[in-house]
Amino acid sequence: QKEVEQDPGPLSVPEGAIVSLNCTYSNSAFQYFMWYRQYSRKGPELLMYTYSSGNKEDGRFTAQVDKSSKYISLFIRDSQPSDSATYLCAMSWYSSASKIIFGSGTRLSIRP
Amino acid sequence: GAVVSQHPSRVICKSGTSVKIECRSLDFQATTMFWYRQFPKQSLMLMATSNEGSKATYEQGVEKDKFLINHASLTLSTLTVTSAHPEDSSFYICSGQGDDTEAFFGQGTRLTVV
Repeated sequence: QKEVEQDPGPLSVPEGAIVSLNCTYSNSAFQYFMWYRQYSRKGPELLMYTYSSGNKEDGRFTAQVDKSSKYISLFIRDSQPSDSATYLCAMSWYSSASKIIFGSGTRLSIRP
Repeated sequence: GAVVSQHPSRVICKSGTSVKIECRSLDFQATTMFWYRQFPKQSLMLMATSNEGSKATYEQGVEKDKFLINHASLTLSTLTVTSAHPEDSSFYICSGQGDDTEAFFGQGTRLTVV
């Protein structure tokens, strides 16, 4: 069993739709949960960073962490074609200098 | 935000030669550097972790004699792929992290060994 499971997609939705991306994990010791966006042939960029359980909102993006279910989500409201990318969930044990475990990434396409 | 600059962005080399990839933190001190490899449509797989001035720690299955990592300063780390072969063709990404910062990723290097 992989430590982090993520549906690879691809996921295609019309512009303006709400997008829901999810990951499950097996290691209950993870404390920090991240979502990265990666455009083709580029390095990933951090979108959201959450410690422990709860919700965090940043503009059109909302990250949710449910540690009891070992389940994390990223919601994108009012999706735009520019949101088309691969979204990687990631998690780690500590906040600094810590190994990050990535999900396999979900390819998202927003249709104009 | 902080910037990590990775060069080259793309390199093609002949089988048997060595290739060096540089990763620089431009506006912060990266006490820890991470090197990842990513195959097409797959996730980032950590290869090794290095701290400035000390030897890198390699993940299981990664050959330390093949993938030489040097972290000589707080702003520069290099990955040298020695005696490269076609199966080493991949997307290599570095990440730098300071003592109290998140990890910032470079733009990646597409290595093609022919």
